Amino acid sequence: QSVLTQPPSVSAAPGQKVTISCSGSTSNIGNNYVSWYQQFPGTAPKLLIYDNNKRPSGIPDRFSGSKSGSSATLGITGLQTGDEADYYCGAWDSSLSVVVFGGGTKLTVL
Amino acid sequence: QVQLQGSGPGLVKPSETLSLTCNVSGGSMSSHYWSWIRQPPGQGLEWIGYVFYSGSTVYSPSLRSRVTISVDTSKNQFSLRLNSVTAADTAVYYCASLSTGDMSFDYWGQGTLVTVSS
Repeated sequence: QSVLTQPPSVSAAPGQKVTISCSGSTSNIGNNYVSWYQQFPGTAPKLLIYDNNKRPSGIPDRFSGSKSGSSATLGITGLQTGDEADYYCGAWDSSLSVVVFGGGTKLTVL
Repeated sequence: QVQLQGSGPGLVKPSETLSLTCNVSGGSMSSHYWSWIRQPPGQGLEWIGYVFYSGSTVYSPSLRSRVTISVDTSKNQFSLRLNSVTAADTAVYYCASLSTGDMSFDYWGQGTLVTVSS
């Protein structure tokens, strides 16, 4: 059981937009920064979004992050088949003094 | 740009100690927290803990009694030791750099699959 809650899977057609939610509490998302990671099978996760909504160099602006209260959302526009991957949210939890992750969301581009 | 290269045995016997090392290049050891994360086959990510260049550590409460993370700044590397392993510790172990500001993992090693089996 993950501290952060994500939907197990989402799907959308190429060219469309999809959002992935990440729900937490005041001890993690509510009062700390959220980050998002993309992971392809057999490879290490890659940072997509940090500081709630900032993109590292090289990450296309098709990827966006937002936060409201104790929830965060990853948005992906102009979906491509190459976006099919697992996506994880993460945050520091001030009460547990740990980094917590969501359980991951598998994105399928139909 | 920081690069991380993890290494260590891929097979550990039950009740023994898992030991992994991560070599850091392209960055200063004082710039980040240095962290270990694991991922059991087919499952999600689990944070293990981090070490700062000073040697101070923070561990996940669920593993604190069995884990040690250490740093050797002279060699630009940090290490993980997990003792009394069981099959439940079988996972891909990633080393990663953890931003001291927003606590995001900005660089990752390639991952090492460690299987616990006799």
